[in-house]
Amino acid sequence: NAGVTQTPKFQVLKTGQSMTLQCAQDMNHEYMSWYRQDPGMGLRLIHYSVGAGITDQGEVPNGYNVSRSTTEDFPLRLLSAAPSQTSVYFCASSPPNPLVQYFGPGTRLTVT
Amino acid sequence: SQQGEEDPQALSIQEGENATMNCSYKTSINNLQWYRQNSGRGLVHLILIRSNEREKHSGRLRVTLDTSKKSSSLLITASRAADTASYFCATGRQGGSEKLVFGKGTKLTVNP
Repeated sequence: NAGVTQTPKFQVLKTGQSMTLQCAQDMNHEYMSWYRQDPGMGLRLIHYSVGAGITDQGEVPNGYNVSRSTTEDFPLRLLSAAPSQTSVYFCASSPPNPLVQYFGPGTRLTVT
Repeated sequence: SQQGEEDPQALSIQEGENATMNCSYKTSINNLQWYRQNSGRGLVHLILIRSNEREKHSGRLRVTLDTSKKSSSLLITASRAADTASYFCATGRQGGSEKLVFGKGTKLTVNP
């Protein structure tokens, strides 16, 4: 099993551009989440999903959209990139109980 | 807002010594988890302790939980250079929350 995969690994965007960060898991986990990690801030939850067709907002959802059309995939869309979105983004999946997260390798995003 | 807060923020020890990290949290939980993050990588789950448990062991790891003080500790015994990483606690709230809330982490350096 590949576990949780994320693409791309690195990305540089200009302010105002949009893009989609891809996340896929092959463990048939119901739950998937997106986090961002900034120096000194730990991990903050952006959006999460408890199953196909169901998504909800986390702590810092502004500027991001998600959808969950399949169990395997959970893409994160940046609508209009801003320098404040420069961060490392992690996708994670989990069975529901207990909620133990399996993390992808991350995407390092820089917005100039 | 962050639920868990790790202490200390950074810890430097010699190989063979024990490392102790602490986590405090604010609200009632149903479980507390510890994760490790090597530099530039995603987080890896280490151990989960439920709210009705007081102590748990896994190899060289020992976790304690004091729900009356809303605190947990992670002890790594006989540390190795390979234990150098950041360690995060994450709490799952009571009431079946679908979200984990992560602390800001402790950066552990084990010197050979």
